[in-house]
Amino acid sequence: DGGITQSPKYLFRKEGQNVTLSCEQNLNHDAMYWYRQDPGQGLRLIYYSQIVNDFQKGDIAEGYSVSREKKESFPLTVTSAQKNPTAFYLCASSNPPGSGNTIYFGEGSWLTVV
Amino acid sequence: GDSVTQMEGPVTLSEEAFLTINCTYTATGYPSLFWYVQYPGEGLQLLLKATKADDKGSNKGFEATYRKETTSFHLEKGSVQVSDSAVYFCALSDLFSGGYNKLIFGAGTRLAVHP
Repeated sequence: DGGITQSPKYLFRKEGQNVTLSCEQNLNHDAMYWYRQDPGQGLRLIYYSQIVNDFQKGDIAEGYSVSREKKESFPLTVTSAQKNPTAFYLCASSNPPGSGNTIYFGEGSWLTVV
Repeated sequence: GDSVTQMEGPVTLSEEAFLTINCTYTATGYPSLFWYVQYPGEGLQLLLKATKADDKGSNKGFEATYRKETTSFHLEKGSVQVSDSAVYFCALSDLFSGGYNKLIFGAGTRLAVHP
């Protein structure tokens, strides 16, 4: 089945560590996104990529980094510079323009700082 | 900038009650509008969408009509079930260059349905 796979589902990070969240999609979507969700709140955009080898900062990019070496993959690294990383992270992808522009989401990854 | 405002939750209903979750938006252009649902511990699932004024999106008994004159996209269901308990997000699309979406979300409304 087509979809978006995020891993791991749960991740614990020690202070000062970098961690990487994986996101893979087999929907043949050009655009991919990372959102952050804090408890009881809406989603905020971290980074997005419209095409391979290109990505742009979203609203809350500080302390995060991404890469887009393959169309199917868009990993997110949470660096030690991110002071409050505990949150639920959602990866998403979307259709090309003219196809409804609907964004589809993965199941999410929980990151906790210990 | 563009924004979405949803009614605050939680909304608590008895099974088979009528549901309305209000959503209003501000946008400079002509956005598409979406409702997403999030079940506990899971990602977001698209519930329904509408791409232009007066369109009605519908799915699984839920429906919402794109009202440009009132800048609203209220979610309704005639008879809720316990399995509808979740958080509901209203969102609008704001296009990046190249036509790709940036979704702007409301804060979410938690719905709890009891037997």
